[in-house]
Order: sequence, then C-alpha cells, then structure tokens
Amino acid sequence: AQKVTQAQTEISVVEKEDVTLDCVYETRDTTYYLFWYKQPPSGELVFLIRRNSFDEQNEISGRYSWNFQKSTSSFNFTITASQVVDSAVYFCALRLTSGTYKYIFGTGTRLKVLA
Amino acid sequence: EAGVAQSPRYKIIEKRQSVAFWCNPISGHATLYWYQQILGQGPKLLIQFQNNGVVDDSQLPKDRFSAERLKGVDSTLKIQPAKLEDSAVYLCASSLGDPNQPQHFGDGTRLSIL
Repeated sequence: AQKVTQAQTEISVVEKEDVTLDCVYETRDTTYYLFWYKQPPSGELVFLIRRNSFDEQNEISGRYSWNFQKSTSSFNFTITASQVVDSAVYFCALRLTSGTYKYIFGTGTRLKVLA
Repeated sequence: EAGVAQSPRYKIIEKRQSVAFWCNPISGHATLYWYQQILGQGPKLLIQFQNNGVVDDSQLPKDRFSAERLKGVDSTLKIQPAKLEDSAVYLCASSLGDPNQPQHFGDGTRLSIL
C-alpha cells in the first residue's frame, strides 16, 4: 500500500509550548518526495517544506523543524514556541516518482494554539 | 507572481442541478490538479493534467464529473447532476513538471448541495 498516516487528529497546546506533528508513510518507490502543507481557516493550502527520500538531513526554518527518518518511514514536524497564528490543519503528503507522480495526502492534524 | 485563481469562491445548488468550477493556474505551470476535500479529510485527487492531456483520472466519478483543460492553461470541472455527497471544497493546484516541485493551491470553491 502507498499511503500517509497522520494519527493525531487534533492537538491543543498553550501558546509558547513546543508541539510535534507526526507523519508516517508507506511506499514501494525507492525515490519519493515528502511535503508538509498548512491549511489555515481561510482554506488555502500553503506549502511549508519538501524533502527528498535520499536526503535525511533534518531541517530548521525559524520556529519550524522537520525530522526525516527513513528507517521508520517518518517525517515529523515540530513547531517550537507555538503561536496562536500557527493554529491550522497541517497535512503531510507523499509524492511518488513512479506512474503518474501522484500525490497522496494524509488526513491532516488540526492544531489549536490557545492564548 | 500571481497565485492559482479559482472561481466561484462559494456555490450553493440543489441536488440534481449542475455546477462548474474554473481554475487559472500559475503561469508556466504544466501540471494542473483538481482535488475534492470533504470536511475533516485530506484532499483527494480527482484529476491531473499535464499540459492539456489527462495523466490520472482514476478517482474521478466519470458518470457525473467531467473536466477539461483547454490550450493547456485554464481548466473547468463540472458536476452534472450533483448529489448530496458532492458537498465539499474543490481545490485546484498547479506545479511545474518536475516531481520534486511543490503544488501551489488556490483558495478553493466551497460547494454545498441542498
């Protein structure tokens, strides 16, 4: 099966707490791409980060960091010192490199950051 | 650069009526996608175009849904006749041709079927 699992349906944290959003994927492709998108209440999905399957370097961008572990098929996303503006639904997506280069989205994690 | 444009933003129709959505992708983006996002779920791909050719429409309910991309630019998605379960947000996205390029999404059209 080729799929993305985001087991956390909803997470609530208090402002300034750190929070980690989990993403586990399954694919038969040896080369693939992983993405995180943010969907604020306005509805538009906003691209956050892309990771190639052959690059396991972790990445930090401001308060955001991503931990890619091929051995566990996980691509987790951490927000440090969360802010109310981080409240949104976050989607992890897998892009295949076989066939039609299909994107497969997880079901999303709704993050609520409380003031 | 201008983003992906979609219209209308909202649409309310009765079941068995028809409806059409329009999408204008980012200039130069060869690949265009239509997704259906039901409340509380992730986007589900309906159809993917590469220029004006269909690459993947395996999840498009072809008995009622149709889509076209004229001249490899704008695209329309049509539902005829609509069913109650079609109530969802319809998202259009576009990307460059390389698989490592992210998709850029429009604001979506929120469709409500009465």
